[in-house]
Amino acid sequence: GAGVSQSPSNKVTEKGKDVELRCDPISGHTALYWYRQSLGQGLEFLIYFQGNSAPDKSGLPSDRFSAERTGGSVSTLTIQRTQQEDSAVYLCASSPDRARNTIYFGEGSWLTVV
Amino acid sequence: QKEVEQNSGPLSVPEGAIASLNCTYSDRGSQSFFWYRQYSGKSPELIMFIYSNGDKEDGRFTAQLNKASQYVSLLIRDSQPSDSATYLCAVNSGGSNYKLTFGKGTLLTVNP
Repeated sequence: GAGVSQSPSNKVTEKGKDVELRCDPISGHTALYWYRQSLGQGLEFLIYFQGNSAPDKSGLPSDRFSAERTGGSVSTLTIQRTQQEDSAVYLCASSPDRARNTIYFGEGSWLTVV
Repeated sequence: QKEVEQNSGPLSVPEGAIASLNCTYSDRGSQSFFWYRQYSGKSPELIMFIYSNGDKEDGRFTAQLNKASQYVSLLIRDSQPSDSATYLCAVNSGGSNYKLTFGKGTLLTVNP
């Protein structure tokens, strides 16, 4: 597809379960980001991948959160032992290397922890 | 703590009027400034970016940047009901050329 693709679009999970969220960036974009948007809050930076460089994980809120990017393309964000405060929209974005700040978002994965 | 502040609104304007959206930021080292539009239940969509002091125009949209005052604004001329959305200001932060800090957004309502 032409845009950033995320799956699942909606996920309801029980507290304590693990979840995986997937992102397929725009073809040719080397930079990939994960952001989180909670109700009434601004977007919160989680993690950044650029090519083969070590990712910037400085925004991950706890060690229950991890992310990987395989083959410089698809990324998976994993949340272990989910808590209710993890409920949010998880947005993936990508950008071309030449214009790292002009990032384009996917439609998001809406996570609800019950 | 690097912050980006926006008035949450709602800002209500009549159709055809100019909507003015404002944003202040705390990181004096910021170099890149962005405006995103987010419709309810949708993801943010990039509208404009600005790097230099002054005005930048794109169609009905004008971004204004004043680094000395740490202030960036977005003007929407001839506002349309379809412009009704939340507008997010974003600023690169922490000396990074990729990490953006977002404001919480201003809700704009354009009344027919």
